[in-house]
Amino acid sequence: GDSVTQMEGPVTLSEEAFLTINCTYTATGYPSLFWYVQYPGEGLQLLLKATKADDKGSNKGFEATYRKETTSFHLEKGSVQVSDSAVYFCALMGAQKLVFGQGTRLTINP
Amino acid sequence: DGGITQSPKYLFRKEGQNVTLSCEQNLNHDAMYWYRQDPGQGLRLIYYSQIVNDFQKGDIAEGYSVSREKKESFPLTVTSAQKNPTAFYLCASRSRDSNNSPLHFGNGTRLTVT
Repeated sequence: GDSVTQMEGPVTLSEEAFLTINCTYTATGYPSLFWYVQYPGEGLQLLLKATKADDKGSNKGFEATYRKETTSFHLEKGSVQVSDSAVYFCALMGAQKLVFGQGTRLTINP
Repeated sequence: DGGITQSPKYLFRKEGQNVTLSCEQNLNHDAMYWYRQDPGQGLRLIYYSQIVNDFQKGDIAEGYSVSREKKESFPLTVTSAQKNPTAFYLCASRSRDSNNSPLHFGNGTRLTVT
């Protein structure tokens, strides 16, 4: 079945550092891919998405490129801020339902 | 503003009692979902509904029940048969206009059963 694998956390970085959170997937066909972010005590918010191969999703300085050849959708940001501290989830749209990775907790220190 | 409302934010129950979590949306979305989140784990799908009066079991449906009598509402009942009900429960909805449409989430209900 469809599945998503994210790099294990937690990840701790200093402010202004470069961020990469790895995400790979297994699916039939070419599903839409998403990154969601969850701040403490809240639900998930859509961060960005890509719907076909080579698409790049971007939002709030975050980017991810849909790589069909490596079945990956890694999340990157050039300079992180303390306010980026949260849990990040990679997900794919399977048959009418979203399949999530296990989440990566990110902490940014000032 | 359109959105998804889950209530209450915190819920406490004694073991052996059934409890119903509320989820209401005013986004005019056809599809609605319930997920469970446990510490350090991802989201696991409990039930989902593509249309009124129809719903399907997700990956961990045992011990839960749902109804979808109205488009706007998708309540989840946690029954006494659920072995480990203490968790954070998230409701979501999406439009079925496109396969690419994302899920919109509520702010969750944290259920504690003692």
